[in-house]
Amino acid sequence: GDSVTQTEGPVTVSESESLIINCTYSATSIAYPNLFWYVRYPGEGLQLLLKVITAGQKGSSRGFEATYNKETTSFHLQKASVQESDSAVYYCALGDPGGNAGAKLTFGGGTRLTVRP
Amino acid sequence: GPKVLQIPSHQIIDMGQMVTLNCDPVSNHLYFYWYKQILGQQMEFLVNFYNGKVMEKSKLFKDQFSVERPDGSYFTLKIQPTALEDSAVYFCASSFGVGNTLYFGEGSRLIVV
Repeated sequence: GDSVTQTEGPVTVSESESLIINCTYSATSIAYPNLFWYVRYPGEGLQLLLKVITAGQKGSSRGFEATYNKETTSFHLQKASVQESDSAVYYCALGDPGGNAGAKLTFGGGTRLTVRP
Repeated sequence: GPKVLQIPSHQIIDMGQMVTLNCDPVSNHLYFYWYKQILGQQMEFLVNFYNGKVMEKSKLFKDQFSVERPDGSYFTLKIQPTALEDSAVYFCASSFGVGNTLYFGEGSRLIVV
């Protein structure tokens, strides 16, 4: 089946430091999956951070970036300078663009990020 | 942004009893989903629902589980009877269409004792 593996948390960094959260995927049933990063801030529901549907393309949002690398089956999340407000749990996910029954997603285990002031 | 509301946020229930988890999806969305996350494990797809029907379900969606959205009201997940292994956080999500962004609720934590 399909699977997503990401950096195990917790991850703690200081404000203004750079960040990378690794994500690799295995899509045995989907030729060209859509790739996502979702984020859950404290006290809130899961929300989409960024999405990339084409291999080789980069997505960006709120200073975060991730590039869809089909060769290495990776979708690492990076930010050059984190802020305390980025403290949250980050989830990498893949989805089947050809599915005709909605957008079923396969999630990684989540990475808890704490940014020290 | 658009909000998905889940009720209750927490529930403790005796094994063998019935429980209904309610989800108020984004108002113009057409696809509805339930995901299950056991403590310390990954969030996993349970079921999706469109036009009054289950479209796809995973092996986690046992016979004791059912979903419905009567008269366009809450989208519900019912478990009858509950078992200890049903203890988890259940997340509801909705989307406008195929390939569109999923919007998630904050989850309903179910503890079966």
